[in-house]
Amino acid sequence: EVQLVESGGGLVQPGGSLRLSCAASGFTFTTYWMAWVRQAPGKGLEWVANMKGVGSEKYYVDSVKGRFTISRDSARNSLYLQMNTLRADDTAVYFCAREATVTPYNFDYWGQGTLVTVSS
Amino acid sequence: QSALAQPASVSGSPGQSIIISCSGSGSDIGTYNRVSWYQHHPGKAPKLMIYEVIKRPSGVSNRFSASKSGPTASLTISGLRAEDEADYYCCSYVPGGPYVFGSGTKVTVL
Repeated sequence: EVQLVESGGGLVQPGGSLRLSCAASGFTFTTYWMAWVRQAPGKGLEWVANMKGVGSEKYYVDSVKGRFTISRDSARNSLYLQMNTLRADDTAVYFCAREATVTPYNFDYWGQGTLVTVSS
Repeated sequence: QSALAQPASVSGSPGQSIIISCSGSGSDIGTYNRVSWYQHHPGKAPKLMIYEVIKRPSGVSNRFSASKSGPTASLTISGLRAEDEADYYCCSYVPGGPYVFGSGTKVTVL
């Protein structure tokens, strides 16, 4: 059974940093692109970043470029999102999602999310 | 890349059919057959309902169907049920983007 479990969310002050983790199980982690998607309070889903299964190819939404870094540890089957210089508008539930591989360009499994609140 | 446009809300009675539209442009939905739809019950993990414009993943009810015409994609829910009440999002893959979601539609079962 595919499982994605996010952790690391919490309350952080503007300008602060936070590192999110996503523990993956039930599939061969290195085979899949993985992504972070967020949902601000009362808003819709927004793709944040994604990363290839093997190698360093990665992409970011413009609003987080230079502040967020996506990474993964294949030995731990884990995906990470290092978030620096956080702003109030980064407040959101952050979801970890797997990108389908046989029929790509969609997210076939998601975690339940972890809440990040940026506030003083 | 701006969010794809969806109606904020759509409602219907049990057993009825409803259609949710998703309007993009010639640079996303209009060009690529890489549209997916997600059902999201608040507090839960989003669920893939449709991929590649019209395809249903295994286990998704055939009451859910989808189509595309030019820059607009549509999701149809037939035989509406109470458990269909949720938020629905379209999503388009755009090379270099690479993903843009719709603004979301709240479906209410009356």
